[in-house]
Amino acid sequence: KQEVTQIPAALSVPEGENLVLNCSFTDSAIYNLQWFRQDPGKGLTSLLLIQSSQREQTSGRLNASLDKSSGRSTLYIAASQPGDSATYLCAVDSWGKLQFGAGTQVVVTP
Amino acid sequence: DAGVTQSPTHLIKTRGQQVTLRCSPKSGHDTVSWYQQALGQGPQFIFQYYEEEERQRGNFPDRFSGHQFPNYSSELNVNALLLGDSALYLCASSLWDRGYTDTQYFGPGTRLTVL
Repeated sequence: KQEVTQIPAALSVPEGENLVLNCSFTDSAIYNLQWFRQDPGKGLTSLLLIQSSQREQTSGRLNASLDKSSGRSTLYIAASQPGDSATYLCAVDSWGKLQFGAGTQVVVTP
Repeated sequence: DAGVTQSPTHLIKTRGQQVTLRCSPKSGHDTVSWYQQALGQGPQFIFQYYEEEERQRGNFPDRFSGHQFPNYSSELNVNALLLGDSALYLCASSLWDRGYTDTQYFGPGTRLTVL
């Protein structure tokens, strides 16, 4: 049974610092892995999607890596801003069924 | 291009009642998946519809049922509501490809409160 874990559960950093968010999963038989952002009470915004054959994806200040063999993914956010404050969720796609971690709540202080 | 839309935005029901939530997929998508997100947790997969049939189901009781219409829109029905059904219900749409679904795009969700 696939289990997805995100560490830490919460993180507070001063503006300008780089953010490192971790995601681990127990079953390496995945189709892809996605990182989402969720603002309080809102839906999910897709940030990056990494196909199972890829090692990393980049979009602006965001970079996500994937190591299937060790069951890990890391989301890096460079030069954090107060607008980056949100909950970040990772999800592994097991053939159309997304399984999510509980998320990392991030606060970036000015 | 309209994204995924859901209605209503918020809903308040009492225990034992029944509720119907609605979802319209992103233009060009043919698959709809439903997720339940309790406060402070990640979303949990309920089920997925393609070609008006339930293709996959998560670990949810039969009180949770769904339907997909010919225009690909979908409904989620929950019978005999329990307090524990209070959650944000998220709909995601995608394109069926080679036997499974591609990238899922999420709607804003429906907040259900059961009193």
